[in-house]
Amino acid sequence: GAGVSQSPSNKVTEKGKDVELRCDPISGHTALYWYRQSLGQGLEFLIYFQGNSAPDKSGLPSDRFSAERTGGSVSTLTIQRTQQEDSAVYLCASSLTGFNQPQHFGDGTRLSIL
Amino acid sequence: QKEVEQNSGPLSVPEGAIASLNCTYSDRGSQSFFWYRQYSGKSPELIMFIYSNGDKEDGRFTAQLNKASQYVSLLIRDSQPSDSATYLCAVNKSNTGKLIFGQGTTLQVKP
Repeated sequence: GAGVSQSPSNKVTEKGKDVELRCDPISGHTALYWYRQSLGQGLEFLIYFQGNSAPDKSGLPSDRFSAERTGGSVSTLTIQRTQQEDSAVYLCASSLTGFNQPQHFGDGTRLSIL
Repeated sequence: QKEVEQNSGPLSVPEGAIASLNCTYSDRGSQSFFWYRQYSGKSPELIMFIYSNGDKEDGRFTAQLNKASQYVSLLIRDSQPSDSATYLCAVNKSNTGKLIFGQGTTLQVKP
């Protein structure tokens, strides 16, 4: 079956612009996660959605970052007024349910802020 | 102290040898532990997960967990050059869905 799908695969934008990154989880997976991976920073948790529960936003680095998950499926991560330090690979993962379940990653979106 | 610690390596082993990758974690309430393999420029790929103390084997891979020592390891038997990658240890933070990742260990398998 299809894995986690992310788009775009690459995004180059100018500092100060807003960007939207999309994630389509594995069919039937109720939990969806966003992480980012920067050079020298490792993989960093951003936000987690589980079913109809309120999302865990504890990893969002600033109020410029937000995410939505519509209809319990597709998710969009939005970064407003981008800064150069936002340059990273943004990875989406999904799992069958939450807590303790294996998470499967998409191919990521490589974001470059000029 | 980092929540999940790994030796960054590189760990270099000859082809056919056993590669041993180690990870320690700080959250005593963690209940699930994962190993991901990441090739350069690619996303992490799940290779093993373990929930209970002891060993779990899958093909050439064995995950080992010792909760008392807060220690997880991954053994790769009969290492192949195609196993050369960065191996990420990830721990489910207790009572949350989030994974906390180590910095990864780079493995080089030399022919």
